[in-house]
Amino acid sequence: GAGVSQSPRYKVAKRGQDVALRCDPISGHVSLFWYQQALGQGPEFLTYFQNEAQLDKSGLPSDRFFAERPEGSVSTLKIQRTQQEDSAVYLCASSSRGTAGTEAFFGQGTRLTVV
Amino acid sequence: GDSVTQMEGPVTLSEEAFLTINCTYTATGYPSLFWYVQYPGEGLQLLLKATKADDKGSNKGFEATYRKETTSFHLEKGSVQVSDSAVYFCALSRTSYDKVIFGPGTSLSVIP
Repeated sequence: GAGVSQSPRYKVAKRGQDVALRCDPISGHVSLFWYQQALGQGPEFLTYFQNEAQLDKSGLPSDRFFAERPEGSVSTLKIQRTQQEDSAVYLCASSSRGTAGTEAFFGQGTRLTVV
Repeated sequence: GDSVTQMEGPVTLSEEAFLTINCTYTATGYPSLFWYVQYPGEGLQLLLKATKADDKGSNKGFEATYRKETTSFHLEKGSVQVSDSAVYFCALSRTSYDKVIFGPGTSLSVIP
């Protein structure tokens, strides 16, 4: 597609509910990243995929967070048993190569509100 | 670990004023440095980048120079416009792979 697409754009979840956030990267992009952006803060790295391999998940805040990219394109970030502190904008980004200086293209994000 | 620090906002300027947003970083090796911008209601966009010391990135009248001796990458624009109102993020990525580490962001409001 023309850009990184994320769905849904907005999600309201009741505390304890499971959610799944989807990311469609730019076609052919090897690298895919998930970030969490709290209100008024910069994006914080969650996890990184190179094709279907999850090479870095050091930023995932707890074992309730799980990400996958089974065919090396679309990715899903799943949050189990959501808590209020999970409320944030979740950003997905993709880039064409795994080398420094490569521009990462960001989606518009999914705003998750846990009530 | 690697980190980025930038001046706190919000910053409010009159149209045509000079803009500086300070950014310093801590990183091992020789990271690439970026400025991303987030306009109201839109996603993050790359504004400019520099990949090695003394490089100058520029775009839309904005400039930033990679200063390794001071570990800085300050953003400047000679004459801001109302349309420049946005949140600006300084960021870096290391040479190993291109995970981007962001600063906290600086909100800029330009008033007519």
